Order: sequence, then C-alpha cells, then structure tokens
Amino acid sequence: AQSVTQPDIHITVSEGASLELRCNYSYGATPYLFWYVQSPGQGLQLLLKYFSGDTLVQGIKGFEAEFKRSQSSFNLRKPSVHWSDAAEYFCAVGAKTGANNLFFGTGTRLTVIP
Amino acid sequence: GAVVSQHPSRVICKSGTSVKIECRSLDFQATTMFWYRQFPKQSLMLMATSNEGSKATYEQGVEKDKFLINHASLTLSTLTVTSAHPEDSSFYICSGAAKNIQYFGAGTRLSVL
Repeated sequence: AQSVTQPDIHITVSEGASLELRCNYSYGATPYLFWYVQSPGQGLQLLLKYFSGDTLVQGIKGFEAEFKRSQSSFNLRKPSVHWSDAAEYFCAVGAKTGANNLFFGTGTRLTVIP
Repeated sequence: GAVVSQHPSRVICKSGTSVKIECRSLDFQATTMFWYRQFPKQSLMLMATSNEGSKATYEQGVEKDKFLINHASLTLSTLTVTSAHPEDSSFYICSGAAKNIQYFGAGTRLSVL
C-alpha cells in the first residue's frame, strides 16, 4: 500500500539557519514525488517535483530535494531559511501511470524564529 | 504556472442549507479535478476525483449524495455540500491535474451554524 511518512510534526529553526524536512515513502514502483507548501488558510503551492533523471531537484524559493531510492526518501532542504518560509510543508507521492492521484504525508509545520 | 481559482474563499451558512464551491482552472485544461477536505492541523483527505463529462469517483466513506460533484467542462468543477450540518464545517480544497501535476486552489473555509 502507498504511504508517505513525514516524521517531524513541527520544526523550529532560526532565520538564516539551514533546513531539512524529512519524507519517506512506501510505493510499489518508482513514484512521482512532490513537495507542497501551505500558508495558513491557503491552498497548496508546488515547491518542486521529481519525475525522473537527476535525483537532486531544484524548486522555487531556494528549496531543493534529493531522491534517494535506496532509502525511499525525498528530503527537502534549504541552505538559509527566511522568516517567510514559516508554513506547513507536505510531501506527496503520485503514480507514474494515469490517475494523477496523490498520497500526502501528514505535514511538517515550520516555525522560523528571528 | 498553472492557476486554479476556487470560490468562495469563505462561506458561513445555516444548518440544512446547501453550499456550492467552484473550482476553475484559469490557464489550462484540467481533465481531472480533485476535491479534498482538510481538518485543522491535519493533512489533506481526498474526497473524490472528477473527470470532465463523467461521474465523480468518491473515496470510501464519502457520501456522494451529500457531496455532489459536477465537472461540466475542462475548466470547471463544482462541489455542492447538500443539507449542510455543523460536522461538515471544514476547509475544502480543489486541484486540477495537468501532466501528472496537481495545482491547488486557495481553499474554501465552510462554517455551518
């Protein structure tokens, strides 16, 4: 069965510090992988995606993520966090064939302190 | 980038009334649209998948007669919460799919009094 695990419910970092949000997935085949960000009361914005090719993908707002097949992980990173990055972050996996269904993790809430 | 517009952003209604939420893909054609429900501080729960011109596919436990979904065109899907009750109060989010990517609307906060 498909599942996505985000082990960290809440992370607090200082502005300017580096960030890594963890995501592990369970899937029958190599999936499509996504990171979305949600600000309070808003919908989800796509940060980046992995379909194939280079396992290190760059996204918007200075974020990147690395697909590690051996660890079934797709961790999100940012070298220097800004106060505006405070939000909820969701990792999601999708099937490579049709459907377009996504399975979401439970999310990680990021707090940025000055 | 692909934009999905969801309207209204917030609605308050009396118990027993029906509420319609619209989801539009503004700059792309979404053959598939998804409706999610999100409880406070939780992840998104898929309610149904709608394909243009056909009946929606509902997830287990979602009442299709309560949550009516219409996908009349490649750019518009609507969710109608019929005879809403306080337990239907939630945050509803739609998305449109294109090239294996889902683009999300800004969500609708429904409060049923």
